[in-house]
Amino acid sequence: AQSVAQPEDQVNVAEGNPLTVKCTYSVSGNPYLFWYVQYPNRGLQFLLKYITGDNLVKGSYGFEAEFNKSQTSFHLKKPSALVSDSALYFCAVRAPRAMDSNYQLIWGAGTKLIIKP
Amino acid sequence: EPEVTQTPSHQVTQMGQEVILRCVPISNHLYFYWYRQILGQKVEFLVSFYNNEISEKSEIFDDQFSVERPDGSNFTLKIRSTKLEDSAMYFCASTHGLRGGTEAFFGQGTRLTVV
Repeated sequence: AQSVAQPEDQVNVAEGNPLTVKCTYSVSGNPYLFWYVQYPNRGLQFLLKYITGDNLVKGSYGFEAEFNKSQTSFHLKKPSALVSDSALYFCAVRAPRAMDSNYQLIWGAGTKLIIKP
Repeated sequence: EPEVTQTPSHQVTQMGQEVILRCVPISNHLYFYWYRQILGQKVEFLVSFYNNEISEKSEIFDDQFSVERPDGSNFTLKIRSTKLEDSAMYFCASTHGLRGGTEAFFGQGTRLTVV
């Protein structure tokens, strides 16, 4: 079965330190990978995606993510965390389909990121 | 920046009542979706909609659920007879196309509470 795992319910980081939010997936074929962020009382906001090509992708707000095919991971990273980065982060995967006839995201459970001043 | 908007932000309803959740997708998008997230659980796909018909639905999307695009801008999710277990955050989303790397744009969600 296809699935996405975010092994950490919560990640605590001091402001200015690098942060990593982990994501691993189990999908047949070459997936499309996404990170979304949810701030309190806000919707799911797109951060970045991996389609193909360079394994390191850059997104909004200084975030980047590294695709590792052998480890089936797509960890979210930022070199220097800000207090304003505190939010709920979701990893999502779209499984490739032969006909590409539809669009269904498979979601991780989410990781709460807390940045302390 | 264009955005998906959902109304209401919070809906409280009695068990057995009908509710309609409303969404206005991004204007040039052609594909529309509903997802839900029960408190403490993962976001789950409900249904996708294109060209005025359902293109895919999950097991969750049973006969109690229906979707409609009543005019050129709104996209609604109706639950005919709500159950306690329908309490969740419901997210509407839209995409311009279906290409694999297309990102979905989500609304802020409607929190449905069934009492």
